[in-house]
Amino acid sequence: SQQGEEDPQALSIQEGENATMNCSYKTSINNLQWYRQNSGRGLVHLILIRSNEREKHSGRLRVTLDTSKKSSSLLITASRAADTASYFCATPQAGGTSYGKLTFGQGTILTVHP
Amino acid sequence: DAGITQSPRHKVTETGTPVTLRCHQTENHRYMYWYRQDPGHGLRLIHYSYGVKDTDKGEVSDGYSVSRSKTEDFLLTLESATSSQTSVYFCATGGNYNEQFFGPGTRLTVL
Repeated sequence: SQQGEEDPQALSIQEGENATMNCSYKTSINNLQWYRQNSGRGLVHLILIRSNEREKHSGRLRVTLDTSKKSSSLLITASRAADTASYFCATPQAGGTSYGKLTFGQGTILTVHP
Repeated sequence: DAGITQSPRHKVTETGTPVTLRCHQTENHRYMYWYRQDPGHGLRLIHYSYGVKDTDKGEVSDGYSVSRSKTEDFLLTLESATSSQTSVYFCATGGNYNEQFFGPGTRLTVL
């Protein structure tokens, strides 16, 4: 099963509203990452939060991490139609020789209506 | 896309034919990865490379092979394409802080 699982699977909102997506994971991690994928494109790295951080901001993005609950959330404030995309969380695979491998969740499809 | 290109971008082929997809990066990243993305399965790692001539299997490696003769190039070969390998294939490289950078993808259809 996936290390990271996003919730909800799909989210539909109006422009200007906030969008919140959640990610749960199973094993201990040293960081968690969020990626965006626009339709027909490759994934784009958005933000990385380390295990010793509880919250991180980047523009309109706010990420939280609760290691005790093994969960993270991505909040997009004041959403725009251009934020319409799939959003994935990703966690590093454990082990000293992980070679940077990540395990991706199945993603949340966000639709922002103008 | 951090200087990552994939070729071809689209390909239609027939069952049983060999297919090679190419990934080229200009970032001098040591780690490179091949994923496939399918509805309901998300992104799954096929093979990865941790240096020139150093490669290993991912979670869905059956029917695929890879080669990396230069830092900048990572080739994925489907030895004998099957319809189950119809998918979108993404190449990625590993950055210095564990993040990954993705190419634009190759849409492969096996008839």
